[in-house]
Amino acid sequence: EPEVTQTPSHQVTQMGQEVILRCVPISNHLYFYWYRQILGQKVEFLVSFYNNEISEKSEIFDDQFSVERPDGSNFTLKIRSTKLEDSAMYFCASREDVAGANVLTFGAGSRLTVL
Amino acid sequence: EDQVTQSPEALRLQEGESSSLNCSYTVSGLRGLFWYRQDPGKGPEFLFTLYSAGEEKEKERLKATLTKKESFLHITAPKPEDSATYLCAVRLDMRFGAGTRLTVKP
Repeated sequence: EPEVTQTPSHQVTQMGQEVILRCVPISNHLYFYWYRQILGQKVEFLVSFYNNEISEKSEIFDDQFSVERPDGSNFTLKIRSTKLEDSAMYFCASREDVAGANVLTFGAGSRLTVL
Repeated sequence: EDQVTQSPEALRLQEGESSSLNCSYTVSGLRGLFWYRQDPGKGPEFLFTLYSAGEEKEKERLKATLTKKESFLHITAPKPEDSATYLCAVRLDMRFGAGTRLTVKP
């Protein structure tokens, strides 16, 4: 079964460092998403991306965050200068660009620990 | 503003003890009510989409129903493997509620 692949599974970084989280969405999907889940809290929407641009972003997704589709397969989330409160699990998801397609497939997540 | 509210926050059941989870919603133009399951440390996994009031969908011990204001996820004779957090959303970009954390004890 097709799956969304995320790397790394766990990253530990120092406060103030830049972090890039990588995602390989399902190959025929064209909608891409990032979510964040702080330990013990809800899954929070960060950003959606379609046709090489951001479609929607939440108030969490400030200037410290950016997303990019650098090639035909990868979708990345960059945090420019990490803060302690960025420690969380980050999930990537993708969806088909087909009328009526509304199922998001999520990756297993990347756990970010900021020290 | 489109939003969902889930209740209860947590639910503990004995194996075989049926119950229901609630998802109340407000939305300007429903394009679907979505249920997902999340196991600890994993990404959410799709369960159901409901589109109109009166619609029902079933999968194993789970049945999802929809009214104009809320959706219920009914769990019949649950097993320990049904333990998870159940999430609902009303937007295609899946802005989930806080979820209901279900624990089923053997």
